[in-house]
Amino acid sequence: KNEVEQSPQNLTAQEGEFITINCSYSVGISALHWLQQHPGGGIVSLFMLSSGKKKHGRLIATINIQEKHSSLHITASHPRDSAVYICAVSDNTDKLIFGTGTRLQVFP
Amino acid sequence: EPEVTQTPSHQVTQMGQEVILRCVPISNHLYFYWYRQILGQKVEFLVSFYNNEISEKSEIFDDQFSVERPDGSNFTLKIRSTKLEDSAMYFCASSLLAGANTGELFFGEGSRLTVL
Repeated sequence: KNEVEQSPQNLTAQEGEFITINCSYSVGISALHWLQQHPGGGIVSLFMLSSGKKKHGRLIATINIQEKHSSLHITASHPRDSAVYICAVSDNTDKLIFGTGTRLQVFP
Repeated sequence: EPEVTQTPSHQVTQMGQEVILRCVPISNHLYFYWYRQILGQKVEFLVSFYNNEISEKSEIFDDQFSVERPDGSNFTLKIRSTKLEDSAMYFCASSLLAGANTGELFFGEGSRLTVL
């Protein structure tokens, strides 16, 4: 069983739609990261959170430690948001455990 | 904005050859990492490095792999004798604070290794 599960695996949206990507994990964690992987392969950190909610622009990330679940929301989606969004957790060690990612395509 | 840079962006090599992938982490960062992503699969941790020594490594990071920080700025990953299954994108990352637990990670653009 994967330690980090994401859903959906693929997501298609029309420009302007509200998007939610979910992440569930099975291990005890100290922090959860949301990352964005561009079509060319580069990875950018979006959020790191251990409780509650964080907002940056049109992106919102929430985490529920008791339920071992996190969500990434994108408001007013835009074609430039098209990317793979990855959830990763740190389990009190130096390493991150990655999910398989959610491929998002936003059409104009 | 400071960034992690990696070279080469793409390397093609013959099986059995040695490969060195280079990374320049953000200058004031203290923790350094290598991850890899085989095509179509998820990103996997290889090794973390702090204070000039390995702090953690995965099962993937066997005796064929080594890391070093030769000059205080570069951080290198060496694969001694490449195998076909080493073909992957290799990502370098760095963080200022104590590892992935508390520090935001900054990733390089990746080095794609193709082993023929």
